[in-house]
Amino acid sequence: GNSVTQMEGPVTLSEEAFLTINCTYTATGYPSLFWYVQYPGEGLQLLLKATKADDKGSNKGFEATYRKETTSFHLEKGSVQVSDSAVYFCALSSNTGKLIFGQGTTLQVKP
Amino acid sequence: DSGVTQTPKHLITATGQRVTLRCSPRSGDLSVYWYQQSLDQGLQFLIQYYNGEERAKGNILERFSAQQFPDLHSELNLSSLELGDSALYFCASSEAGTGRDTQYFGPGTRLTVL
Repeated sequence: GNSVTQMEGPVTLSEEAFLTINCTYTATGYPSLFWYVQYPGEGLQLLLKATKADDKGSNKGFEATYRKETTSFHLEKGSVQVSDSAVYFCALSSNTGKLIFGQGTTLQVKP
Repeated sequence: DSGVTQTPKHLITATGQRVTLRCSPRSGDLSVYWYQQSLDQGLQFLIQYYNGEERAKGNILERFSAQQFPDLHSELNLSSLELGDSALYFCASSEAGTGRDTQYFGPGTRLTVL
């Protein structure tokens, strides 16, 4: 069945460091891929998405490219801020739209 | 603010009881999804409705049921509650209920079963 695997956290970085959170997936067909972010005590917010191979999603300085050949959708940001501290979830969608999430990666950014 | 509302925000109840969680989707969205977030299981899809009809089912227990009403709001009913049902329950909505849609999540209902 479909599944998503994310790198284990927590990830601790200093402000202005480069961020990569790895995400790989297993799926039949051509799913859409998403990154959602969850700030403490809040619901999930869409960070970015890509709906077909080689698409790049981007938002707020974060980027991820849909790589079909490596079945990956790694999240990157060139310079993180303390306000980026949150839990990040990689997800894929089925044809009906149900989301299958990775286990989440906690990011802590220190000033 | 995603435009998806969920009530109540917190719910504390005892084992064996029954509760109802309510969700109002964003204006114009026809599809509603329910997810459960727990420490041991992570984020799990429970069930999806589209314009009043069940469209997809995930790891939803038989003790749980849901429906979507003509005004498109949805309710998730949890009965014979067990300690392990304690979790954060999210509702999400999307426009057309397809794989390319963006899902917008509500703030969640935190259920504590004592």
